[in-house]
Amino acid sequence: IGVTQSPVTLSVSPGETATLSCRASQGVASNIAWYQQKPGQAPSLLIFGASDRATGVPARFSGSGYGTEFTLTISSLQSEDFAVYYCQHYHYRPPYSFGQGTKLEVK
Amino acid sequence: EVQLVESGGDLIQPGGSLRLSCAASGFTFTDYAMSWVRQAPGKGLEWVSSFSGSSDTTYYSDSVKGRFIISRDSSKNTLFLQMNSLRAEDTAIYYCAKDQFLFPANFDFWGRGTLVIVSS
Repeated sequence: IGVTQSPVTLSVSPGETATLSCRASQGVASNIAWYQQKPGQAPSLLIFGASDRATGVPARFSGSGYGTEFTLTISSLQSEDFAVYYCQHYHYRPPYSFGQGTKLEVK
Repeated sequence: EVQLVESGGDLIQPGGSLRLSCAASGFTFTDYAMSWVRQAPGKGLEWVSSFSGSSDTTYYSDSVKGRFIISRDSSKNTLFLQMNSLRAEDTAIYYCAKDQFLFPANFDFWGRGTLVIVSS
Protein backbone atom coordinates (compact mmCIF):
# COMPACT_ATOMS: atom_id res chain seq x y z
CA ILE A 1 0.00 0.00 0.00
CA GLY A 2 1.47 3.34 -1.06
CA VAL A 3 0.81 6.70 0.53
CA THR A 4 0.96 10.03 -1.32
CA GLN A 5 0.93 13.45 0.30
CA SER A 6 0.02 16.79 -1.22
CA PRO A 7 1.13 19.42 -1.65
CA VAL A 8 4.88 18.94 -1.38
CA THR A 9 5.25 22.48 -0.03
CA LEU A 10 2.51 24.60 1.52
CA SER A 11 2.96 28.33 2.22
CA VAL A 12 0.62 29.74 4.86
CA SER A 13 0.70 32.86 7.02
CA PRO A 14 0.82 32.63 10.82
CA GLY A 15 -2.65 32.70 12.33
CA GLU A 16 -4.25 31.09 9.29
CA THR A 17 -5.29 27.48 8.69
CA ALA A 18 -3.23 24.85 6.88
CA THR A 19 -4.80 21.81 5.23
CA LEU A 20 -2.55 18.87 4.34
CA SER A 21 -3.68 15.85 2.36
CA CYS A 22 -2.73 12.18 2.39
CA ARG A 23 -4.01 9.55 -0.01
CA ALA A 24 -3.58 5.78 0.31
CA SER A 25 -3.45 3.58 -2.77
CA GLN A 26 -5.88 1.13 -1.14
CA GLY A 27 -8.38 1.44 1.67
CA VAL A 28 -6.71 1.54 5.08
CA ALA A 29 -9.79 2.18 7.22
CA SER A 30 -8.67 4.64 9.93
CA ASN A 31 -5.13 3.29 10.18
CA ILE A 32 -3.33 6.54 9.45
CA ALA A 33 -0.92 8.48 11.66
CA TRP A 34 0.52 11.96 11.22
CA TYR A 35 3.95 13.08 12.42
CA GLN A 36 5.68 16.42 12.71
CA GLN A 37 9.40 16.75 12.14
CA LYS A 38 11.42 19.89 12.83
CA PRO A 39 14.95 20.38 11.46
CA GLY A 40 17.55 18.28 13.27
CA GLN A 41 14.93 16.50 15.36
CA ALA A 42 13.24 13.13 15.36
CA PRO A 43 9.63 12.96 14.22
CA SER A 44 6.89 13.22 16.84
CA LEU A 45 3.44 11.65 16.73
CA LEU A 46 0.55 14.08 16.27
CA ILE A 47 -2.45 12.02 15.21
CA PHE A 48 -3.26 8.30 15.20
CA GLY A 49 -6.36 6.44 14.13
CA ALA A 50 -6.83 9.20 11.52
CA SER A 51 -8.36 11.60 14.05
CA ASP A 52 -7.11 10.92 17.60
CA ARG A 53 -4.62 13.42 18.98
CA ALA A 54 -1.55 12.03 20.70
CA THR A 55 -0.88 13.01 24.29
CA GLY A 56 0.08 16.65 24.66
CA VAL A 57 -0.78 17.67 21.09
CA PRO A 58 -2.61 21.02 20.96
CA ALA A 59 -6.26 21.07 19.91
CA ARG A 60 -5.44 23.21 16.87
CA PHE A 61 -4.21 20.00 15.24
CA SER A 62 -7.02 17.82 13.89
CA GLY A 63 -7.20 14.84 11.57
CA SER A 64 -10.00 13.43 9.49
CA GLY A 65 -10.72 10.88 6.81
CA TYR A 66 -11.40 7.20 6.23
CA GLY A 67 -10.49 4.66 3.61
CA THR A 68 -8.16 6.35 1.14
CA GLU A 69 -8.46 10.10 1.74
CA PHE A 70 -7.14 11.82 4.86
CA THR A 71 -6.57 15.38 6.00
CA LEU A 72 -4.49 17.06 8.67
CA THR A 73 -5.78 20.52 9.56
CA ILE A 74 -3.78 22.98 11.61
CA SER A 75 -5.73 26.04 12.65
CA SER A 76 -4.40 29.34 13.98
CA LEU A 77 -0.86 28.51 12.87
CA GLN A 78 1.83 29.27 15.40
CA SER A 79 5.50 29.86 14.59
CA GLU A 80 6.44 26.47 16.05
CA ASP A 81 4.09 24.68 13.63
CA PHE A 82 6.21 25.37 10.56
CA ALA A 83 7.86 22.02 9.94
CA VAL A 84 7.61 18.92 7.74
CA TYR A 85 4.60 16.67 8.19
CA TYR A 86 4.40 12.98 7.29
CA CYS A 87 1.48 10.62 7.15
CA GLN A 88 1.94 6.88 7.63
CA HIS A 89 -0.39 3.96 7.09
CA TYR A 90 -0.37 0.99 9.44
CA HIS A 91 -3.12 -1.08 7.96
CA TYR A 92 -3.38 -4.80 8.74
CA ARG A 93 0.34 -5.73 9.00
CA PRO A 94 3.76 -4.50 7.83
CA PRO A 95 5.22 -3.41 5.49
CA TYR A 96 4.03 0.05 6.36
CA SER A 97 4.81 3.19 4.40
CA PHE A 98 5.15 6.90 4.90
CA GLY A 99 4.16 9.66 2.55
CA GLN A 100 6.94 11.76 1.08
CA GLY A 101 6.15 14.65 3.42
CA THR A 102 4.67 18.14 3.18
CA LYS A 103 6.85 21.08 4.13
CA LEU A 104 4.77 23.78 5.80
CA GLU A 105 6.50 27.11 5.40
CA VAL A 106 5.81 30.71 6.32
CA LYS A 107 4.13 32.75 3.62
CA GLU B 1 9.45 9.06 31.08
CA VAL B 2 10.01 7.03 27.91
CA GLN B 3 13.56 7.19 26.63
CA LEU B 4 15.07 5.55 23.57
CA VAL B 5 18.81 5.90 23.00
CA GLU B 6 20.35 4.57 19.81
CA SER B 7 24.01 3.74 19.33
CA GLY B 8 26.28 1.94 16.91
CA GLY B 9 26.14 4.20 13.88
CA ASP B 10 29.41 4.58 12.01
CA LEU B 11 31.15 5.04 8.68
CA ILE B 12 31.33 1.62 7.05
CA GLN B 13 32.48 0.35 3.68
CA PRO B 14 30.04 -1.17 1.18
CA GLY B 15 29.53 -4.85 1.89
CA GLY B 16 30.32 -4.42 5.56
CA SER B 17 28.25 -5.13 8.65
CA LEU B 18 27.10 -3.02 11.57
CA ARG B 19 24.93 -3.59 14.62
CA LEU B 20 22.73 -0.83 15.96
CA SER B 21 21.41 -0.83 19.51
CA CYS B 22 18.51 0.98 21.14
CA ALA B 23 18.36 1.16 24.93
CA ALA B 24 14.79 1.63 26.12
CA SER B 25 13.49 2.82 29.47
CA GLY B 26 10.38 4.25 31.08
CA PHE B 27 7.94 1.56 29.90
CA THR B 28 7.44 -2.20 29.97
CA PHE B 29 9.57 -3.23 27.04
CA THR B 30 7.77 -6.48 26.20
CA ASP B 31 4.32 -4.87 26.20
CA TYR B 32 4.95 -3.02 22.94
CA ALA B 33 6.22 -3.63 19.46
CA MET B 34 9.45 -1.86 18.54
CA SER B 35 10.62 -0.64 15.17
CA TRP B 36 13.41 0.92 13.17
CA VAL B 37 12.73 3.78 10.79
CA ARG B 38 15.42 5.45 8.68
CA GLN B 39 15.85 8.75 6.93
CA ALA B 40 18.39 9.27 4.17
CA PRO B 41 20.05 12.72 4.10
CA GLY B 42 17.52 15.31 3.00
CA LYS B 43 14.87 12.67 2.33
CA GLY B 44 11.70 11.37 3.91
CA LEU B 45 11.02 8.63 6.42
CA GLU B 46 11.26 4.96 5.51
CA TRP B 47 9.98 2.13 7.70
CA VAL B 48 12.70 -0.54 7.96
CA SER B 49 11.72 -3.28 10.39
CA SER B 50 9.45 -4.12 13.32
CA PHE B 51 9.47 -6.61 16.18
CA SER B 52 6.08 -7.60 17.47
CA GLY B 53 5.76 -7.39 21.23
CA SER B 54 3.43 -10.35 21.51
CA SER B 55 4.68 -13.11 19.27
CA ASP B 56 8.30 -12.16 18.62
CA THR B 57 7.34 -11.98 14.95
CA THR B 58 9.62 -9.84 12.84
CA TYR B 59 8.86 -7.77 9.75
CA TYR B 60 11.13 -6.18 7.16
CA SER B 61 10.86 -3.80 4.25
CA ASP B 62 11.69 -5.29 0.86
CA SER B 63 14.76 -3.04 0.67
CA VAL B 64 16.43 -4.72 3.66
CA LYS B 65 14.88 -8.19 3.73
CA GLY B 66 17.56 -10.88 3.78
CA ARG B 67 20.26 -8.40 4.85
CA PHE B 68 19.03 -6.91 8.14
CA ILE B 69 17.94 -8.74 11.29
CA ILE B 70 15.94 -7.15 14.08
CA SER B 71 16.12 -8.66 17.56
CA ARG B 72 15.68 -7.72 21.18
CA ASP B 73 17.11 -8.59 24.58
CA SER B 74 14.21 -8.27 26.98
CA SER B 75 16.47 -8.71 30.01
CA LYS B 76 18.33 -5.56 28.99
CA ASN B 77 15.40 -3.65 27.43
CA THR B 78 17.43 -3.31 24.26
CA LEU B 79 16.46 -3.49 20.60
CA PHE B 80 19.03 -4.37 17.95
CA LEU B 81 19.37 -4.09 14.19
CA GLN B 82 22.05 -6.27 12.63
CA MET B 83 22.87 -4.78 9.24
CA ASN B 84 24.77 -6.95 6.75
CA SER B 85 25.84 -6.50 3.13
CA LEU B 86 25.52 -2.76 3.51
CA ARG B 87 25.00 -0.61 0.44
CA ALA B 88 25.43 3.08 -0.25
CA GLU B 89 21.65 3.44 -0.29
CA ASP B 90 21.52 2.31 3.34
CA THR B 91 23.14 5.60 4.34
CA ALA B 92 20.70 7.27 6.71
CA ILE B 93 19.84 8.29 10.22
CA TYR B 94 18.34 5.22 11.87
CA TYR B 95 15.63 5.92 14.43
CA CYS B 96 14.46 3.47 17.04
CA ALA B 97 10.75 3.89 17.65
CA LYS B 98 8.33 2.53 20.21
CA ASP B 99 5.07 1.33 18.69
CA GLN B 100 1.88 2.48 20.31
CA PHE B 101 0.55 -1.06 20.62
CA LEU B 102 1.64 -4.65 21.13
CA PHE B 103 1.41 -5.26 17.38
CA PRO B 104 3.40 -3.03 14.99
CA ALA B 105 1.37 0.06 14.13
CA ASN B 106 2.32 3.68 14.58
CA PHE B 107 5.15 5.14 16.61
CA ASP B 108 4.49 7.21 19.71
CA PHE B 109 8.07 7.70 20.89
CA TRP B 110 11.27 8.08 18.91
CA GLY B 111 14.95 8.14 19.76
CA ARG B 112 17.27 10.84 18.45
CA GLY B 113 18.73 8.52 15.87
CA THR B 114 22.16 7.19 14.96
CA LEU B 115 23.90 7.96 11.68
CA VAL B 116 25.08 5.22 9.37
CA ILE B 117 27.24 6.19 6.41
CA VAL B 118 28.07 3.53 3.85
CA SER B 119 30.95 4.71 1.71
CA SER B 120 34.36 3.65 0.52
